[in-house]
Amino acid sequence: QKEVEQDPGPLSVPEGAIVSLNCTYSNSAFQYFMWYRQYSRKGPELLMYTYSSGNKEDGRFTAQVDKSSKYISLFIRDSQPSDSATYLCAMREQAGTALIFGKGTTLSVSS
Amino acid sequence: GAGVSQSPRYKVAKRGQDVALRCDPISGHVSLFWYQQALGQGPEFLTYFQNEAQLDKSGLPSDRFFAERPEGSVSTLKIQRTQQEDSAVYLCASSGEDGNEQFFGPGTRLTVL
Repeated sequence: QKEVEQDPGPLSVPEGAIVSLNCTYSNSAFQYFMWYRQYSRKGPELLMYTYSSGNKEDGRFTAQVDKSSKYISLFIRDSQPSDSATYLCAMREQAGTALIFGKGTTLSVSS
Repeated sequence: GAGVSQSPRYKVAKRGQDVALRCDPISGHVSLFWYQQALGQGPEFLTYFQNEAQLDKSGLPSDRFFAERPEGSVSTLKIQRTQQEDSAVYLCASSGEDGNEQFFGPGTRLTVL
């Protein structure tokens, strides 16, 4: 079993839908949680960054971390075709250490 | 440019050839990471530098892989005697002193024939 599990999808939704992406993990020492967006043939781009448990909102994006369940989520409201990409969850134990990534979920938003 | 740059963007090598991949981190960033991303997978950690010191190389898959950052800025990942299973995208990331956010480059796509 991998340290971080993420359903690869693909996930297809119509424009304007609310998208829910999630990851589970097994290492209770993880404290830093991130969501990256990766367009085809590009490097990952940081979307959301959360320390420990709780919620964080940035525009149409909301990240949630539930450390008791070892479960993190990313919600995208009013999804747009430009949101079509692969979304990677990542986490680590301490600042400045290597990230452990999920496999990535491929999202397609149709207009 | 202000971001992480990598070169070459694409590399095709014949099995058995040596390759060298370059990473230019964001100016002033002390931490530099190399990751390997196979098709359809998330990036996997290879090695980590803080300035010129290689602090963690536990992710390097074999002794054919070697990385250096001699002056604490540019880094080179070298793969000797490439094999087909080395085909992947090699990503470089850098972060500042707080080590919070890692900024990724566009990657080098290596294809070994």
